[in-house]
Amino acid sequence: AQSVTQLGSHVSVSEGALVLLRCNYSSSVPPYLFWYVQYPNQGLQLLLKYTSAATLVKGINGFEAEFKKSETSFHLTKPSAHMSDAAEYFCAVRQGAQKLVFGQGTRLTINP
Amino acid sequence: KAGVTQTPRYLIKTRGQQVTLSCSPISGHRSVSWYQQTPGQGLQFLFEYFSETQRNKGNFPGRFSGRQFSNSRSEMNVSTLELGDSALYLCASSLVSRVEDTQYFGPGTRLTVL
Repeated sequence: AQSVTQLGSHVSVSEGALVLLRCNYSSSVPPYLFWYVQYPNQGLQLLLKYTSAATLVKGINGFEAEFKKSETSFHLTKPSAHMSDAAEYFCAVRQGAQKLVFGQGTRLTINP
Repeated sequence: KAGVTQTPRYLIKTRGQQVTLSCSPISGHRSVSWYQQTPGQGLQFLFEYFSETQRNKGNFPGRFSGRQFSNSRSEMNVSTLELGDSALYLCASSLVSRVEDTQYFGPGTRLTVL
């Protein structure tokens, strides 16, 4: 079964600093990978998805992720953190047509 | 286009009761999936419906059931509620049921079981 592991349940960065959220996947076949963001008391919002078209995927709000097959990774980055980026971030892999398997989530805190 | 809507947003029930949650997908979307989110177990897949048929099911007891109507709206039902069923229940819709389709999530229904 496919799965994802998010390294670090909590990441804290200063405003303006680089954001790096780590995600590693296990998959025996080319995976479909996703990053979602969840703000307090809200549902999940899609940030970006990898579907094998390009290894560097650009998403909304300045986020991007790079698919690295050799490292089985799909880390999420943003060059400059903003206070509004504070939220919980989930990496997910598609298992079957419409089943998403999520990582445990990483809570991102932005320090002023 | 309106997003995925879920009703009610908040619900309080007592152990042993049953509950029905509703989800209206984005207009034109025919696939609806349900997820349970808890602090301990994270986000877990419950089931997916497409064209009124259950296509996939997660590892949950039979107390959890769902259905989909001809207009693609979906309901999920939990019978004989337990304390551990307290969670945020998220519904997601997609255009059809292909692996490359993106799922769009609703705001969730927060269920508290006392």
